[in-house]
Amino acid sequence: DQQVKQNSPSLSVQEGRISILNCDYTNSMFDYFLWYKKYPAEGPTFLISISSIKDKNEDGRFTVFLNKSAKHLSLHIVPSQPGDSAVYFCAATPLQGAQKLVFGQGTRLTINP
Amino acid sequence: DTAVSQTPKYLVTQMGNDKSIKCEQNLGHDTMYWYKQDSKKFLKIMFSYNNKELIINETVPNRFSPKSPDKAHLNLHINSLELGDSAVYFCASSQGGGDYEQYFGPGTRLTVT
Repeated sequence: DQQVKQNSPSLSVQEGRISILNCDYTNSMFDYFLWYKKYPAEGPTFLISISSIKDKNEDGRFTVFLNKSAKHLSLHIVPSQPGDSAVYFCAATPLQGAQKLVFGQGTRLTINP
Repeated sequence: DTAVSQTPKYLVTQMGNDKSIKCEQNLGHDTMYWYKQDSKKFLKIMFSYNNKELIINETVPNRFSPKSPDKAHLNLHINSLELGDSAVYFCASSQGGGDYEQYFGPGTRLTVT
């Protein structure tokens, strides 16, 4: 039972344009959402997060949008840079109880020069 | 200074052997985790310890036994290794409380032949 889904296994974007990565979840107990970036042979690196009391959170070139009614979140990267090429994981957790992150299967983002 | 470190980075062993993976964090975090990334690239939580106490124990074969000698270390011991145990294992840590960001180690690629 996959509670967090990233339906696009890969995405290719031109340098300087906007990258939009999508994530859907099914568990309405999830209250907190995170995006991680992963380079090959490295561990995931925390990028940005959002609580369910917000619908948007920005950090520099990265913005995460949350649509609770649709159980959907997205990560926008603008402008996209070659160093953004990586696998991006969406993760979710309830705020109550143990902090157990449930991850999507990742989207491989390639930024083309 | 590496925040979350794991040893070894690569581990190749035969079926039936017993092996351990070590994890150390120097972030002063209270909570540590073990995740498994399988061949389909899903990252799934296995265990979590808070101040040396087990708080999350997912449906993992009891051949897997975590041990936390102190809150900066969480080791994973695997008995009677099977082919299906081949995966990348990630250790992570977080401050706990209201801090949900988890910081990951570089991973240990385990190959069972």
